[in-house]
Amino acid sequence: DTAVSQTPKYLVTQMGNDKSIKCEQNLGHDTMYWYKQDSKKFLKIMFSYNNKELIINETVPNRFSPKSPDKAHLNLHINSLELGDSAVYFCASSSSTAGGQYFGPGTRLTVL
Amino acid sequence: AQKITQTQPGMFVQEKEAVTLDCTYDTSDQSYGLFWYKQPSSGEMIFLIYQGSYDEQNATEGRYSLNFQKARKSANLVISASQLGDSAMYFCAMRHLMFMNRDDKIIFGKGTRLHILP
Repeated sequence: DTAVSQTPKYLVTQMGNDKSIKCEQNLGHDTMYWYKQDSKKFLKIMFSYNNKELIINETVPNRFSPKSPDKAHLNLHINSLELGDSAVYFCASSSSTAGGQYFGPGTRLTVL
Repeated sequence: AQKITQTQPGMFVQEKEAVTLDCTYDTSDQSYGLFWYKQPSSGEMIFLIYQGSYDEQNATEGRYSLNFQKARKSANLVISASQLGDSAMYFCAMRHLMFMNRDDKIIFGKGTRLHILP
């Protein structure tokens, strides 16, 4: 009965590789998000999708490309990984009208 | 510009005491939501409580309450009867929704690390 799930939980990869993180929510929410949490625990929003359409696209390198095949899924693909991409990436979802966001367990990405 | 400020980077509190975590915000919008999240050492982000800008009553969820003072732009989290399991990082956040303009702004504070002492 997991509300927001992400896979994988841990991802260790070499610089220059391409990787994807998957996110799924079963809450019936129509808005989903990707956040990056750096080593100082600062959370920064990267993308927001509402009903499969991109709403927020903060200043994120275009190596990061979100894909939302349906309202329940928002995947994050990262090309040409760099050392600075090492962080914890959180997926979240919320109702489009109001209320808090429910977060996935996070994916710890380590780029070597 | 919208901003969330949490002035307490760390706090130490004796078990069973009440705790107040400070949060002030800055926005020129009239419609917004305020949230608190808990992040234990295991890393997950747990949604605790929500307050809408038009809600007249302070939000409460079990031992959590949000002391919302709109004129002062503060949204402090109060934890009553603290427990060892409350030790975690706590984040205050603000969300501004304007779906007609396709705008959804969300910002987080830098967090307060709470330590509950036995």
